[in-house]
Amino acid sequence: QVQLVESGGGGVQPGGSLRLSCAVSGFTFRRYGMHWVRQAPGKGLDWVAYIERDGSNKYYADSVKGRFIVSRDNSQNMMFLQMNSLRVEDTGVFYCARDLHPWYMDFWGQGTLVAVSS
Amino acid sequence: QSALTQPPSASGSPGQSIAISCTGTSSDIGGYNYVSWYQQHPGKAPKLIISEVSKRPSGVPDRFSGSKSGNTASLTVSGLQAEDEADYYCSSYGGSNNLLFGGGTKLTVL
Repeated sequence: QVQLVESGGGGVQPGGSLRLSCAVSGFTFRRYGMHWVRQAPGKGLDWVAYIERDGSNKYYADSVKGRFIVSRDNSQNMMFLQMNSLRVEDTGVFYCARDLHPWYMDFWGQGTLVAVSS
Repeated sequence: QSALTQPPSASGSPGQSIAISCTGTSSDIGGYNYVSWYQQHPGKAPKLIISEVSKRPSGVPDRFSGSKSGNTASLTVSGLQAEDEADYYCSSYGGSNNLLFGGGTKLTVL
């Protein structure tokens, strides 16, 4: 069955960096675009980034442009989110999700928690 | 402030029908048929229940339906059941390779 498993979350100080990973199984990873979505504690969903199936195009929310980088390794069935210059407002659970174009997500991981605090 | 506007809460008794609205603009909901809805139970990941305005993925009960009129999309839950109590989020393509979510609606089954 389709599985997405995020990892790499944790505590970090403002200005710091973290790299999140999303390991997928149960489907042909290279055939699908992928998203990262953030959810601050007790708040709603917030789209972060999208990467096309072959990694040729990447799109970001304005709030993370220039700070976050999404990438993928289709040979390893993995997606990554490099997060730099982290801010307190980046705190939340980060989900990876499979894109079923156009622009909706049919499978989600369970999320990994990022806590940015001094 | 979220880009798409949803009521923060909604409620209904078992068996009743409830509609949740999601209001955007002509640049997002009104401009594309790329509206989706997600259900999220506490502590769980979101689950897709409606895509492309009104399509129901396999396994989603037909009690859930979606529609759109102008810049407003709606999710209707008919024959409310206890397990429908959850948070519901709308989403729409916002143009320029950008995806928007609503602020979420907490549905309470009385």
